[in-house]
Amino acid sequence: DQQVKQNSPSLSVQEGRISILNCDYTNSMFDYFLWYKKYPAEGPTFLISISSIKDKNEDGRFTVFLNKSAKHLSLHIVPSQPGDSAVYFCAACRSNDYKLSFGAGTTVTVRA
Amino acid sequence: DAGITQSPRHKVTETGTPVTLRCHQTENHRYMYWYRQDPGHGLRLIHYSYGVKDTDKGEVSDGYSVSRSKTEDFLLTLESATSSQTSVYFCAISEPTGPIYFGEGSWLTVV
Repeated sequence: DQQVKQNSPSLSVQEGRISILNCDYTNSMFDYFLWYKKYPAEGPTFLISISSIKDKNEDGRFTVFLNKSAKHLSLHIVPSQPGDSAVYFCAACRSNDYKLSFGAGTTVTVRA
Repeated sequence: DAGITQSPRHKVTETGTPVTLRCHQTENHRYMYWYRQDPGHGLRLIHYSYGVKDTDKGEVSDGYSVSRSKTEDFLLTLESATSSQTSVYFCAISEPTGPIYFGEGSWLTVV
């Protein structure tokens, strides 16, 4: 029973535009949320995280928004670049154990 | 890179044989994890360790065992490999304050 869901398996966006990736979770005990980017044949790379005490965290072109009441988070990438083409995983855990639960991933393709 | 080395990176083995995957870190992080990645499932936690000789099961631990005798090494053993264990295996490390960093993966095929 997946506790973290990414309902869009793929997303295509034009270079320079915004990419918005969505993620929903069901476990109300989760209080730490992370996004990872993964290229083929490589390990996931940590992108950005957010604690449940915040509703927004920014790092350069990446912003994560958290809506605790809706158990929903999103990742915004602005502007999208060709190097952003990858699979993006949403993950969540309790900050006292760090056992991550992952979504199935969203494949982002940035078109020139 | 987070200073994580997985070996072997690729392995083909026969059903019923034992297999050990090794994860070595140079970051001196306390926590270590083994995940597997399969299509449609994202990554799923197999086992984790909060310190030397301190290990516990994750959500898909059946058929796997682990050992951690040194801070820097975390071994994952498939006692008797099955075709359902064909997967990509990722080691990860973290400090108690997070975040979690992943190795480059070990591709295992059980024939």
